[in-house]
Amino acid sequence: DVKVTQSSRYLVKRTGEKVFLECVQDMDHENMFWYRQDPGLGLRLIYFSYDVKMKEKGDIPEGYSVSREKKERFSLILESASTNQTSMYLCASSAPQRNEQFFGPGTRLTVL
Amino acid sequence: AQTVTQSQPEMSVQEAETVTLSCTYDTSESNYYLFWYKQPPSRQMILVIRQEAYKQQNATENRFSVNFQKAAKSFSLKISDSQLGDTAMYFCAFMKLGVDDKIIFGKGTRLHILP
Repeated sequence: DVKVTQSSRYLVKRTGEKVFLECVQDMDHENMFWYRQDPGLGLRLIYFSYDVKMKEKGDIPEGYSVSREKKERFSLILESASTNQTSMYLCASSAPQRNEQFFGPGTRLTVL
Repeated sequence: AQTVTQSQPEMSVQEAETVTLSCTYDTSESNYYLFWYKQPPSRQMILVIRQEAYKQQNATENRFSVNFQKAAKSFSLKISDSQLGDTAMYFCAFMKLGVDDKIIFGKGTRLHILP
């Protein structure tokens, strides 16, 4: 079974802090994705990566950056956390043309 | 640009009843995939069912089936004999065929199965 893990289920940070959210997949998938999920807004794509060191902006990249130094790991970085970044963050991975994304359990981030 | 619309933010049905969740989408693509994903409370999102647009036959997975109307751009999910474990947020989603597997999600329908 594909396993996608995220470093924390719950995280509380202060405004202005630098925040790292980590995602690891164990199925050698090329593609990895970061979404944020907010009530009434569904899932919105922040960034995705289709290979090591490759990244592309999604629909809402402002205030975020990403890093993919190894194939299995995709990190989401909030350079200076703000209260409007309080949300559920979901990581996903897929193999090209497998036509399915596999999701991690999510990290619920609260920025105070 | 593609869009996915779920018109029912929340629904409740009694256990053992049949329930249908609605989804419409907009695209100019001819080849694509449609999905229903399920997110149980505090649990991981999982794929429920997938439909390939070039297949006319509606996909079925046990108690879950879809009604895919390509011309109308409609993709509803039917859950038969609903169970308490079906309580979840359900997302309709669209994927254009390509190499990056990007998915566009609807805003979700929160489904409550009542005992």
